Amino acid sequence: GQNIDQPTEMTATEGAIVQINCTYQTSGFNGLFWYQQHAGEAPTFLSYNVLDGLEEKGRFSSFLSRSKGYSYLLLKELQMKDSASYLCAVRDSNYQLIWGAGTKLIIKP
Amino acid sequence: DADVTQTPRNRITKTGKRIMLECSQTKGHDRMYWYRQDPGLGLRLIYYSFDVKDINKGEISDGYSVSRQAQAKFSLSLESAIPNQTALYFCATSDLRGDGANVLTFGAGSRLTVL
Repeated sequence: GQNIDQPTEMTATEGAIVQINCTYQTSGFNGLFWYQQHAGEAPTFLSYNVLDGLEEKGRFSSFLSRSKGYSYLLLKELQMKDSASYLCAVRDSNYQLIWGAGTKLIIKP
Repeated sequence: DADVTQTPRNRITKTGKRIMLECSQTKGHDRMYWYRQDPGLGLRLIYYSFDVKDINKGEISDGYSVSRQAQAKFSLSLESAIPNQTALYFCATSDLRGDGANVLTFGAGSRLTVL
């Protein structure tokens, strides 16, 4: 079966750095996405990786290793507004998105 | 105005009732989707449509039906609602970017409770 694993919950301190991991086992691979979802709101797109390596976008970076079935989202200089759930999704060989359950990130002052 | 609008935002209904959730978009995207989100689970695809004449079942289509009335409108129906259809429902649209990413734009969600 297809599976996306992410930690259920993480806690970090304002101003610090946090890394949210995502491992996947899917039927093929055609890209990995990270979305942010604030409580009670819609998910919004953060990043897309299709090749190995690091993609940087401001305070957020996303890394992919296809051989290891592994990605992480790195958030720097954490702000209180970064408190949200972070969803990892993989597009499989049929171009269908398989979603992880999300990681709830709690930021403490 | 929101790019993807869902109505109603909240609905409480009883078992056996017919429910329709509506979605409209101003993005001009051809692709539209209906997902449901349950606590502790990833988003699950119910139906998707790549254009007005194209409707496809997703992972969990049983108990649901859809209608693509126009490029901008995609509605989801529960013909006879049951309690395990209590969930948060999201409509989404997408367009293919130059880098191959099929980025989803979600509506604000419709919270459905079936008693």
